[in-house]
Amino acid sequence: ETGVTQTPRHLVMGMTNKKSLKCEQHLGHNAMYWYKQSAKKPLELMFVYSLEERVENNSVPSRFSPECPNSSHLFLHLHTLQPEDSALYLCASSQDLAGTGPSPLHFGNGTRLTVT
Amino acid sequence: RKEVEQDPGPFNVPEGATVAFNCTYSNSASQSFFWYRQDCRKEPKLLMSVYSSGNEDGRFTAQLNRASQYISLLIRDSKLSDSATYLCVVSNQAGTALIFGKGTTLSVSS
Repeated sequence: ETGVTQTPRHLVMGMTNKKSLKCEQHLGHNAMYWYKQSAKKPLELMFVYSLEERVENNSVPSRFSPECPNSSHLFLHLHTLQPEDSALYLCASSQDLAGTGPSPLHFGNGTRLTVT
Repeated sequence: RKEVEQDPGPFNVPEGATVAFNCTYSNSASQSFFWYRQDCRKEPKLLMSVYSSGNEDGRFTAQLNRASQYISLLIRDSKLSDSATYLCVVSNQAGTALIFGKGTTLSVSS
């Protein structure tokens, strides 16, 4: 299934680098999300966009900066990250905001990020 | 209290066994409930939605008890391919996103 596509699949970056994660959904959905999954921890919600407007910023450090130029694309810009930011970053989309009804999330494959 | 709590397991069962997972959630205003499945180093995938009246999809049955804020998943006739982590998922207080439990690991052996 290629409904939600994330690039790159793997990323290794130094703490002084700047990089961006990209997500594209081909499902015609109105909402997009960034989640972080660290080892032995549940998925953590980072950002929520609905119709290109940010509706939730879940106390995420400013070194993570999201961008949603249109309803099909979502970016996560990274700068001056810390080693503890190493994790799997998952993008998801849903037809409408996922908490408002039976609108499940469809996930991309994720970007596995390692900060050295 | 954590927003979504699950027994992490692991549950180790033989093929053909029936296994049940439980989940509790803290937000009484949650409106949407799901079970997701996640295989090792893969993204979560929707297994089934959970409705107030309970629902069944083949070998899988989900139940919701709003009064107790409790969700369950029953798997009958377990297959080797059912081995995975099962994530209990509930809508957040704002109704804008889904909150995930840590998951329950199931291992089915022959």
